[in-house]
Amino acid sequence: DVKVTQSSRYLVKRTGEKVFLECVQDMDHENMFWYRQDPGLGLRLIYFSYDVKMKEKGDIPEGYSVSREKKERFSLILESASTNQTSMYLCASSLSQPDTQYFGPGTRLTVL
Amino acid sequence: DAKTTQPNSMESNEEEPVHLPCNHSTISGTDYIHWYRQLPSQGPEYVIHGLTSNVNNRMASLAIAEDRKSSTLILHRATLRDAAVYYCILRAGGTSYGKLTFGQGTILTVHP
Repeated sequence: DVKVTQSSRYLVKRTGEKVFLECVQDMDHENMFWYRQDPGLGLRLIYFSYDVKMKEKGDIPEGYSVSREKKERFSLILESASTNQTSMYLCASSLSQPDTQYFGPGTRLTVL
Repeated sequence: DAKTTQPNSMESNEEEPVHLPCNHSTISGTDYIHWYRQLPSQGPEYVIHGLTSNVNNRMASLAIAEDRKSSTLILHRATLRDAAVYYCILRAGGTSYGKLTFGQGTILTVHP
């Protein structure tokens, strides 16, 4: 089975802190994705990556950056966390398009 | 992106079949129809997908209308573990590195 793991299930940070969310997949998938999920807004794509060191903006990239130095790992970075970034963050990966995306369990981030 | 329309909620009794409808009247010829579900406190999980023909797998069946403007996810015998939010998503074939646009989904409640 494909496994996508995220570094934390719950995280509490303060406004202005730099936050790193880590995602690791163990199936040699090419594509990786970061989404956020908010009540009433559904899942929204923040960034995705189709190869090592490659990245593309999703629908809501503002306030976020990403890093993909190794194929199995995709990091989401909040340079200066703000309260409106309080959300559930979901990582996903897929082998190729239009392939199935496999999701991690999510990280619930609270910014105080 | 072509949009989908689903009922906000549906209810079923355990061990009865469930038919979850989805309308996608603006679907294009290359759009795949994907279904995902999200159990409480978990990331979304792939259920099934199809292009033109009906599809079956161990989890569910997907019935696609001849004009492709609607589809139905069929759970043959609902269990309590099937209680989740079900998302019907159109996925552009061969483009956008697998971007998925999630709507609000249908909340399925299964009664014992």
